[in-house]
Amino acid sequence: DTGVSQDPRHKITKRGQNVTFRCDPISEHNRLYWYRQTLGQGPEFLTYFQNEAQLEKSRLLSDRFSAERPKGSFSTLEIQRTEQGDSAMYLCASSLGPAGNPLEQYFGPGTRLTVT
Amino acid sequence: ELKVEQNPLFLSMQEGKNYTIYCNYSTTSDRLYWYRQDPGKSLESLFVLLSNGAVKQEGRLMASLDTKARLSTLHITAAVHDLSATYFCAGGEGGGATNKLIFGTGTLLAVQP
Repeated sequence: DTGVSQDPRHKITKRGQNVTFRCDPISEHNRLYWYRQTLGQGPEFLTYFQNEAQLEKSRLLSDRFSAERPKGSFSTLEIQRTEQGDSAMYLCASSLGPAGNPLEQYFGPGTRLTVT
Repeated sequence: ELKVEQNPLFLSMQEGKNYTIYCNYSTTSDRLYWYRQDPGKSLESLFVLLSNGAVKQEGRLMASLDTKARLSTLHITAAVHDLSATYFCAGGEGGGATNKLIFGTGTLLAVQP
């Protein structure tokens, strides 16, 4: 399967612990996005990479959140000192975008985080 | 800042009937997307609409875009149970530089036999 993959699919953690999620985009896609979705809501943008450069971060992304895409391929999203309000589905998406013409974003299956 | 609103939020339909989901957005957006999400699953891309007057159709779903009215519609023809899902529209913000998606709150569609 050559779609976007995410790992783990589910994560249960205790408040205060750190968690890290991984996203592997479609191989030729240079753009990678992280979104967060809470129950009954649409996804909200968190951050965006073009190749290895993190070009935009949402105000939703507090200093407890950090994302990397070290070689312009896979990406990781780390949450430090988790809080119950971090419980959500974390979605990764990728797209192929020459400058000025990004089109469809393809979403991975998501990582569902539950903070107890 | 782009804001996207969908209505209705919940739609219960009988099989065989037609209905339309509306998506209004607040500022100019280069592109408008429709996605489908099944319970507990990720988002499946349905349509990308790039220009005023664009119309795309796939099976029983047809999407259109009116950039002057800042309105997109998703029309469902002769609904079947398999179409039951949550449908999201999203606008692309940031132009070619970012194209982050700003989503509406979704329309939960339930097709009753």
